[in-house]
Amino acid sequence: DAGITQSPRYKITETGRQVTLMCHQTWSHSYMFWYRQDLGHGLRLIYYSAAADITDKGEVPDGYVVSRSKTENFPLTLESATRSQTSVYFCASLGQGAKDRRTEAFFGQGTRLTVV
Amino acid sequence: AQSVSQHNHHVILSEAASLELGCNYSYGGTVNLFWYVQYPGQHLQLLLKYFSGDPLVKGIKGFEAEFIKSKFSFNLRKPSVQWSDTAEYFCAVSPYGNNRLAFGKGNQVVVIP
Repeated sequence: DAGITQSPRYKITETGRQVTLMCHQTWSHSYMFWYRQDLGHGLRLIYYSAAADITDKGEVPDGYVVSRSKTENFPLTLESATRSQTSVYFCASLGQGAKDRRTEAFFGQGTRLTVV
Repeated sequence: AQSVSQHNHHVILSEAASLELGCNYSYGGTVNLFWYVQYPGQHLQLLLKYFSGDPLVKGIKGFEAEFIKSKFSFNLRKPSVQWSDTAEYFCAVSPYGNNRLAFGKGNQVVVIP
């Protein structure tokens, strides 16, 4: 099915462990984003990517790593999870159409991560 | 980087009341503007968007928003809310030519039947 999917939907991990959140989109959108959503902070940008092999830091990148070897995938890795990274993580993609026409961002269902 | 401000983070109102949520951004250039809605337990969905043209844009479910360039604002309105409008509403901005999308902190809206 076309769309943007995140996996897993729920994850519990221990402090210090590495964990990877997956994001896959089927539209071939150029741009992809990772946000975290926390009460009182709204959505904060962690990393974004303008194309395969092009990534850039957002507002809160510390403790996270991303890669984008293929246009459709944009995994987010927590190298050594901390309790402060307990959050809901949303992946999004955005297209760049013909004649510089923008589209809106489309969001995945989210991953609820708990670090214990 | 651009920033987005939303005020009145918690709004409680009765059905049939009118709703207006403010959004201000700080960026001097041309921007693309969005309002997203997040129903309880769900992901973000687009309510409406502004790229260019008529500054009054209409979205889904009876929502509309007005872009006032001189005030750097993009306020959301609905004349008569329903219980099903209970949700969190986010304003988002991306500069033209740069699709880095920044969000405000959101407005939690509760509509009482």
